[in-house]
Amino acid sequence: ILNVEQSPQSLHVQEGDSTNFTCSFPSSNFYALHWYRWETAKSPEALFVMTLNGDEKKKGRISATLNTKEGYSYLYIKGSQPEDSATYLCAFLGNDYKLSFGAGTTVTVRA
Amino acid sequence: DAGVTQSPTHLIKTRGQHVTLRCSPISGHKSVSWYQQVLGQGPQFIFQYYEKEERGRGNFPDRFSARQFPNYSSELNVNALLLGDSALYLCASSIAGTGIYEQYFGPGTRLTVT
Repeated sequence: ILNVEQSPQSLHVQEGDSTNFTCSFPSSNFYALHWYRWETAKSPEALFVMTLNGDEKKKGRISATLNTKEGYSYLYIKGSQPEDSATYLCAFLGNDYKLSFGAGTTVTVRA
Repeated sequence: DAGVTQSPTHLIKTRGQHVTLRCSPISGHKSVSWYQQVLGQGPQFIFQYYEKEERGRGNFPDRFSARQFPNYSSELNVNALLLGDSALYLCASSIAGTGIYEQYFGPGTRLTVT
């Protein structure tokens, strides 16, 4: 069982503030790193799939970086809005093609 | 375009029974994966199918089985249900089976075993 850890488990952000959180994963047998956003009562929605060390991806106010050598990825939310409230999941894909998810970081944006 | 669909939405079964969950992928997607999600944890990988062949299997007992049909829809079967099988079962489809493509998730089937 692969150890994919996300921290913090939860965080509260004031509307307009920026925030970031971490996904740690094994640094060996890396194939890809996925990020998903899961809003309450909805299905998980893909944000990014990252494959290269040093990769940086951006979608609107959300961006992510990847360091495969040290086994971590950061997700950043700039200028948080209430609609950013969700659980953010990362998932590590090894060369066995099995996605291993972390437990998620739950973000609550206060108006 | 229709997204990933799953049926049923909710299901209540008793211990020892059998259950079949169904998933229809997005049109054009050839890979289907199944996940089990319990409260407080991330989704746990159960199976991946690509082009009707099992591509990967997670750490689940043989009571769990799945298959993919020629139209790329999929079924997850669980035999001899245990209380611990109560969970949200998610299906996800993607264009190919290599994992470098994003997965599109269905709404899930909430299974309660009593």
